[in-house]
Amino acid sequence: IAGITQAPTSQILAAGRRMTLRCTQDMRHNAMYWYRQDLGLGLRLIHYSNTAGTTGKGEVPDGYSVSRANTDDFPLTLASAVPSQTSVYFCASSPRNNSPLHFGNGTRLTVT
Amino acid sequence: GQNIDQPTEMTATEGAIVQINCTYQTSGFNGLFWYQQHAGEAPTFLSYNVLDGLEEKGRFSSFLSRSKGYSYLLLKELQMKDSASYLCAVTDGDYKLSFGAGTTVTVRA
Repeated sequence: IAGITQAPTSQILAAGRRMTLRCTQDMRHNAMYWYRQDLGLGLRLIHYSNTAGTTGKGEVPDGYSVSRANTDDFPLTLASAVPSQTSVYFCASSPRNNSPLHFGNGTRLTVT
Repeated sequence: GQNIDQPTEMTATEGAIVQINCTYQTSGFNGLFWYQQHAGEAPTFLSYNVLDGLEEKGRFSSFLSRSKGYSYLLLKELQMKDSASYLCAVTDGDYKLSFGAGTTVTVRA
């Protein structure tokens, strides 16, 4: 079934540890995004990529990095996790700018 | 940056109509989206407006006024399954999409 796959589904992580959240799509979408969702704040854009080989910073990029080596994969890395990064992380993709986003099922991350 | 405001919560009765308002201020404008998100699930696309006016899709309609920086999502003939959060999202001049905090709609029997 075509769509976006995120892994892991949930994770408990000790502060200071490094963690990579995986995101893979098989729809050949050009654009991919990472959002975090916190109660009362809605979805906030962390990083995005308009096409393979390019990335850009969103609203809340500090403490996160991304890479886009190919069309399908867009991993998000927390180099040294902190408790304020406890959140639900959604990966999304779209065929082009201004198309509706297709979301993955999310990763629930708890940093202790 | 972008400023997107929508009410936090709304409650309505099954079979009724609910209107969720969204106001925004952006640097440029390239469209407004509405998404639905059930608890514990991912958001799903509902509607897109880029020109002024009303877009109707079955029980759901979305309206846009660009001059007023205003949109609303109208849900008619409410059903219990419509209980969810509704997210207003705006694309700015650089095609970056930003979301409002969402409106939680509770449908009561």
